[in-house]
Amino acid sequence: QKEVEQDPGPLSVPEGAIVSLNCTYSNSAFQYFMWYRQYSRKGPELLMYTYSSGNKEDGRFTAQVDKSSKYISLFIRDSQPSDSATYLCAMRGSGNTPLVFGKGTRLSVIA
Amino acid sequence: IAGITQAPTSQILAAGRRMTLRCTQDMRHNAMYWYRQDLGLGLRLIHYSNTAGTTGKGEVPDGYSVSRANTDDFPLTLASAVPSQTSVYFCASSPTGYTDTQYFGPGTRLTVL
Repeated sequence: QKEVEQDPGPLSVPEGAIVSLNCTYSNSAFQYFMWYRQYSRKGPELLMYTYSSGNKEDGRFTAQVDKSSKYISLFIRDSQPSDSATYLCAMRGSGNTPLVFGKGTRLSVIA
Repeated sequence: IAGITQAPTSQILAAGRRMTLRCTQDMRHNAMYWYRQDLGLGLRLIHYSNTAGTTGKGEVPDGYSVSRANTDDFPLTLASAVPSQTSVYFCASSPTGYTDTQYFGPGTRLTVL
């Protein structure tokens, strides 16, 4: 079992829909959780960064971490065609430990 | 400010040839990383450097080497390319090692025939 599991999709939704993207993980030492967005033929860019359990909101984006279930989510409200991209979750433990990435979920928002 | 630049943008290479992928950052970040991204496998760490003069191995280091002579540059060398090294390669940097957010370059698409 990989340390981080993420459904690759593709996920296709109509404009304005609420999108839910998820990752599960097996390593209970993970404490820092990130979501990266990657447009086609571009490098990943950081979207959300959370520490430990809880929610974090930034505009239309909400990141949620449930450490007891080893489950993280990214919600996108009022989705737009410009949100069409691949979303990668990433996480790491404390100290000098490497980032572990999910495989990414490809999202298409249809106008 | 350019952030991270990578060169070349894309390359087709014959198997057995030597190739160096270039990465330069202008953010004065201490740590730099090389990843490869393959369909179905996601991003995998090849090598990293926490500070100039030091390097370390990631998840998939075999067939690759790196050097970090200064803060800004972190080249990745394929000594004798093989078709399984066909991939998209991303360079990234962070201010102080794994404890910080990583910023990615635009990538190099490499095809080894």
